[in-house]
Amino acid sequence: AIQLTQSPSSLSASVGDRVTITCRASQDIRNALAWYQQKPGKPPKFLIYDASSLESGVPSRFSGSGSGTEFTLTISSLQPEDFATYYCQQFSGYYHQLTFGGGTKVEIK
Amino acid sequence: EVQLSESGGGLVQPGGSLRLSCAVSGLTFRNYAMSWVRQAPGKGLEWVSSVNPSGGSTYYADSVQGRFTISRDNSKDTVTLQMNSLRSDDTAIYFCAKIYSGSGLDKWGQGTLVTVSS
Repeated sequence: AIQLTQSPSSLSASVGDRVTITCRASQDIRNALAWYQQKPGKPPKFLIYDASSLESGVPSRFSGSGSGTEFTLTISSLQPEDFATYYCQQFSGYYHQLTFGGGTKVEIK
Repeated sequence: EVQLSESGGGLVQPGGSLRLSCAVSGLTFRNYAMSWVRQAPGKGLEWVSSVNPSGGSTYYADSVQGRFTISRDNSKDTVTLQMNSLRSDDTAIYFCAKIYSGSGLDKWGQGTLVTVSS
């Protein structure tokens, strides 16, 4: 099964900072990657699909890039509501073995 | 507005069974694949199972293969997860989610808590 490794596992940042989270796949998944944001006690929120396509309604400060085995989620200017845990998920199997990364917790510095 | 609502969680003893349901509204249910995702307390997300739009193809994580069964009723707009031979490491919040075009999980329910303990 394809493994996804996120780094860092946590980070501290200030409002206004540029934040980058990396997701590495154990094999080529083309652009079949999604990103989610989760806040405590809530279900995940869908942010990005196909590695770089922004879901409708998601602020433009969020962006995704990458293909193959290395992907990034960037928040261009961190806002107070962005403090949360972020997960990547691969969809190379379309409906099967839809692995998640381990998560990256973004905390207030 | 699309809504997903899970039910059926609770406390069950190891080796026991539980049936989770997810009622979906606000979309043409039969057009979309569906998935279950779980999250153990304080842990990350784990994909559990998926079913294609017709219900004819089902997929499972290795950790639940042979113990869990996903199904759907397109006449009732529901997806179900039958969980048998439950173990303590199945304890988690179980989320129902809609698959967007094989590219992501774009709609989620609030989740239902399953606790496996004696």
